Amino acid sequence: GAVVSQHPSWVICKSGTSVKIECRSLDFQATTMFWYRQFPKQSLMLMATSNEGSKATYEQGVEKDKFLINHASLTLSTLTVTSAHPEDSSFYICSAPQGQMNTQYFGPGTRLTVL
Amino acid sequence: GQNIDQPTEMTATEGAIVQINCTYQTSGFNGLFWYQQHAGEAPTFLSYNVLDGLEEKGRFSSFLSRSKGYSYLLLKELQMKDSASYLCAVIDSNYQLIWGAGTKLIIKP
Repeated sequence: GAVVSQHPSWVICKSGTSVKIECRSLDFQATTMFWYRQFPKQSLMLMATSNEGSKATYEQGVEKDKFLINHASLTLSTLTVTSAHPEDSSFYICSAPQGQMNTQYFGPGTRLTVL
Repeated sequence: GQNIDQPTEMTATEGAIVQINCTYQTSGFNGLFWYQQHAGEAPTFLSYNVLDGLEEKGRFSSFLSRSKGYSYLLLKELQMKDSASYLCAVIDSNYQLIWGAGTKLIIKP
C-alpha cells in the first residue's frame, strides 16, 4: 500500500505558541489530503481538505485562521496550529487518497500536547 | 442527513469468530471501507466493497448489501492483537468520506 508520513510524531508546546505538522505522501502524488483530529476515545473528526495549489476547505466549526493549511506540492501538506491552547491538545492525523478506489492512506499521526 | 451506525463495543474470545455490523444512510454510495485502528495509532486500511457480496482476505472478510445499506466485517480465529477499534466509512455521491464512530473490539483469552 501507499505510504504517508507525518512529522513530528509528538510535540509538547506552551500555550500561545504555534505548531507546524507536516504530512507527506512518500511514494505517490496527492492533489488532495485530509486532516483529522481525534480526541481520546472518540471517532475521527474531519477538520479540512487540503488542495494542492488552492485554498483548503474547512469543515463547519473549524477556524481557518487558527488551523492554517498549506498544500505546497503534490507530496506535502502542512497544518499549523496557531496560538495553541490546552483544548487543542489532540491526536492529529492526515490522510491521502490513492488508487482507483481512492483508498485513504493515513499518516501515523501527531500527538499534540499544549501545556 | 448522513448516518453510519456501528456498535460501540464488542467482546469476543481468542480463537473465536466475531462479526461487526455497519448500517448506513448516505446521499448516494460509491463504496464502503473498513479500517482498523489500534489505540494511539492511525487507522490502517482493511477492505473496500463497492459491489454486493463477500470479499475475503485471510482471516478478515467484508460483506456488503447495497439494497439494505448494510455491511459487516467478519474476523476469524481471533488473536489478542485484533483488539482494536474497527471503523466503517462510506463514500457518498459527492465522493465525500463519511465515517462511523467505530467499534471497539475487546479480545479475551
